[in-house]
Amino acid sequence: SQQGEEDPQALSIQEGENATMNCSYKTSINNLQWYRQNSGRGLVHLILIRSNEREKHSGRLRVTLDTSKKSSSLLITASRAADTASYFCAAGSRSYQLTFGKGTKLSVIP
Amino acid sequence: EAGVTQSPTHLIKTRGQQVTLRCSPISGHTSVYWYQQALGLGLQFLLWYDEGEERNRGNFPPRFSGRQFPNYSSELNVNALELEDSALYLCASSLAVRDSTDTQYFGPGTRLTVL
Repeated sequence: SQQGEEDPQALSIQEGENATMNCSYKTSINNLQWYRQNSGRGLVHLILIRSNEREKHSGRLRVTLDTSKKSSSLLITASRAADTASYFCAAGSRSYQLTFGKGTKLSVIP
Repeated sequence: EAGVTQSPTHLIKTRGQQVTLRCSPISGHTSVYWYQQALGLGLQFLLWYDEGEERNRGNFPPRFSGRQFPNYSSELNVNALELEDSALYLCASSLAVRDSTDTQYFGPGTRLTVL
């Protein structure tokens, strides 16, 4: 079953704007990971946040995690056309498998 | 350093046939994971192999099977193909599992179409 659920399903913004995507999960996690997928190809790992962390930054990416609400958000600042892709959150559990949501399709308009 | 590689890139089969997909992990990685990404269903976990052993299995019927070889490469076999098996099959690898935060690195996938 899908544990991560992203919101919104689709997002369209202008280049230079910030994009925020949210993710909710259902059970206990060890970590929450975000991936990007371009045009139905392989996934690229963006960032991992551990369950005992609240916020993490990597370049233009900022991830927050609220374990009390079982939710996470991914913020992409100063978006570029090259950021156009689908973004997935994945809940990492002690069983070492990742449980993915259905993703947010981001379109950045030049 | 080479990433995760998968073959073939695309595959077309008919119902009832069998298919084998292949995956080579990043050098030094001993864990291999298989995922199915069917249209509208997101990524579903299929199988996890580590050190040649099947460690975990997703909610898929037994006609989905696989193995991991001594060089840590892996095969995914699907028997008696059904139309709903049409999907992108993704393989990922990670370092030896000592910490559940090990990052999984994905290959480009194999696009399977069942007619």
